[in-house]
Amino acid sequence: AQRVTQPEKLLSVFKGAPVELKCNYSYSGSPELFWYVQYSRQRLQLLLRHISRESIKGFTADLNKGETSFHLKKPFAQEEDSAMYYCALTRYNFNKFYFGSGTKLNVKP
Amino acid sequence: DTGVSQNPRHKITKRGQNVTFRCDPISEHNRLYWYRQTLGQGPEFLTYFQNEAQLEKSRLLSDRFSAERPKGSFSTLEIQRTEQGDSAMYLCASSLVLRDRNSEYEQYFGPGTRLTVT
Repeated sequence: AQRVTQPEKLLSVFKGAPVELKCNYSYSGSPELFWYVQYSRQRLQLLLRHISRESIKGFTADLNKGETSFHLKKPFAQEEDSAMYYCALTRYNFNKFYFGSGTKLNVKP
Repeated sequence: DTGVSQNPRHKITKRGQNVTFRCDPISEHNRLYWYRQTLGQGPEFLTYFQNEAQLEKSRLLSDRFSAERPKGSFSTLEIQRTEQGDSAMYLCASSLVLRDRNSEYEQYFGPGTRLTVT
């Protein structure tokens, strides 16, 4: 069965520290992976997608098919990065999405 | 067009009543999705439309739930005979799916409708 696991409910780091938000998935086919972010009092929005291999706001994520992971990384966290982060998986035709339970990132000054 | 909108934003109802939510997607988007989100969880897929056709429904969606997108524009989600377990945030999202443009795919979410069943 398809599943997305985000093992950490809360991650607290100090400003300037590296951050890694973990995402593991189980999927029988070839997945499309995304990271979504929800800032306080805002709606859910796309942060980045693995297919476009981009870096957004200093965040990157590499799809590791061997480890079935798509961890989100940033070398130097900023206070404005504090938010809820969700990892999501879908198929190539973007029909059904599976979301993880989310990780709350708290960047302390 | 200011993005995906949902109405109402909040709904309180008594157990056993029917409720209907509306979602207005971004105008040129051909895909529309409904999700449910409970406290401490990520969005849970309910169903999606390609234009006016409902192409997939979650097996978790009971017969009390029905969704429509009659003209391929706005969509409604109706819950009949509500139960306390239906209390959640109901999210709508829309996207434009084009062939050979997968790398640009993006799903835009609405603000959600928070349902409380008493």
